[in-house]
Amino acid sequence: DAGVTQSPTHLIKTRGQQVTLRCSPKSGHDTVSWYQQALGQGPQFIFQYYEEEERQRGNFPDRFSGHQFPNYSSELNVNALLLGDSALYLCASSLAGTRNIQYFGAGTRLSVL
Amino acid sequence: AQSVTQLGSHVSVSEGALVLLRCNYSSSVPPYLFWYVQYPNQGLQLLLKYTSAATLVKGINGFEAEFKKSETSFHLTKPSAHMSDAAEYFCAVSDAEYGNKLVFGAGTILRVKS
Repeated sequence: DAGVTQSPTHLIKTRGQQVTLRCSPKSGHDTVSWYQQALGQGPQFIFQYYEEEERQRGNFPDRFSGHQFPNYSSELNVNALLLGDSALYLCASSLAGTRNIQYFGAGTRLSVL
Repeated sequence: AQSVTQLGSHVSVSEGALVLLRCNYSSSVPPYLFWYVQYPNQGLQLLLKYTSAATLVKGINGFEAEFKKSETSFHLTKPSAHMSDAAEYFCAVSDAEYGNKLVFGAGTILRVKS
């Protein structure tokens, strides 16, 4: 049973570029959440997708957008990259109604130069 | 708004000694509380969770945590530290009423000395 998988594992971009990160949830899960973990900090909630719609959003600008596909996989898009967007981006999946147990992937390390 | 405070960004213990990692939370509704562990260059692994059942929660790898409402605390303990416990530990809170967004503390790095 595959867990949460994320791709790519590492990514280097320059300021102003756009990036897309991908996430496949754990088998049987229907909800995907995205978190940003800056160096030395705890993860910060970006947004959550359920039934292909954004259900909840954290305090992140509109440059951060997402999508969920019918197979429950998800993408995180970041436009107009800033140096401060450099972080580990974590995807977590869960099953709606299962008391908030979220399973995390290994993350995508984004470096913005 | 919910928040989590982890006291001590770094904790160092000797192998075989008691591990105590502190977590205090703030929540306007009964919270769901979690401890996650993160090994270098890896994602987060769930250690244990409190979801309004027993106040003493047992998790994986010999860890446990006790929910104390009066102290708004959810401290993580392990009776005897092992070298493999060296990692970063995160406490998180969720407000079940509004979905399962997790709010994390800043983390505590645990060092185990031989």
